Amino acid sequence: DAKTTQPPSMDCAEGRAANLPCNHSTISGNEYVYWYRQIHSQGPQYIIHGLKNNETNEMASLIITEDRKSSTLILPHATLRDTAVYYCIVRVNTGRRALTFGSGTRLQVQP
Amino acid sequence: GAVVSQHPSWVICKSGTSVKIECRSLDFQATTMFWYRQFPKQSLMLMATSNEGSKATYEQGVEKDKFLINHASLTLSTLTVTSAHPEDSSFYICSAYMADTQYFGPGTRLTVL
Repeated sequence: DAKTTQPPSMDCAEGRAANLPCNHSTISGNEYVYWYRQIHSQGPQYIIHGLKNNETNEMASLIITEDRKSSTLILPHATLRDTAVYYCIVRVNTGRRALTFGSGTRLQVQP
Repeated sequence: GAVVSQHPSWVICKSGTSVKIECRSLDFQATTMFWYRQFPKQSLMLMATSNEGSKATYEQGVEKDKFLINHASLTLSTLTVTSAHPEDSSFYICSAYMADTQYFGPGTRLTVL
């Protein structure tokens, strides 16, 4: 699976959009971008994934650049409950292998 | 809602005793489940892959005789920490695939005194 790079930490004001970047410059054509988050003392929570088109669900939006070398997870209206570590993971969407977690981005939503 | 459950959510045990942690897939079958471990301020590390009806596959450095994994049904995998020691204190998390997405349990906090 391709390596990803994320900033170690970010702050965001409550009610504002949180934009979390992820660099995956070595991504292969058949690799998807997955986002998970881990709230303190809980298991990781799936957020969203995509291949090359932008995706949106009830939790977030995923914007993938045209060259697919980077992506941005957008939480449109961050709340205090969105404070968590966010992980960007790249993987092939076939075969049921374990995920490899990096250090992620610690998002602190400020009141 | 949750698709993977774990029990117990936390456990405290004495050194030398064994502890069993259950991981269940809810409303779907999981022929493969994964067990991760997370120490404070660190990321998740894969311990082993649990395969229904066959032996688990352990990651390098994980003692298979200490961390016993049983995947006896399509919805249940168990991790038994045998002869637990304080250094085994950690957050243990299981996961399973539903469709092409891996879902994680809520985790089990193990504290060995």
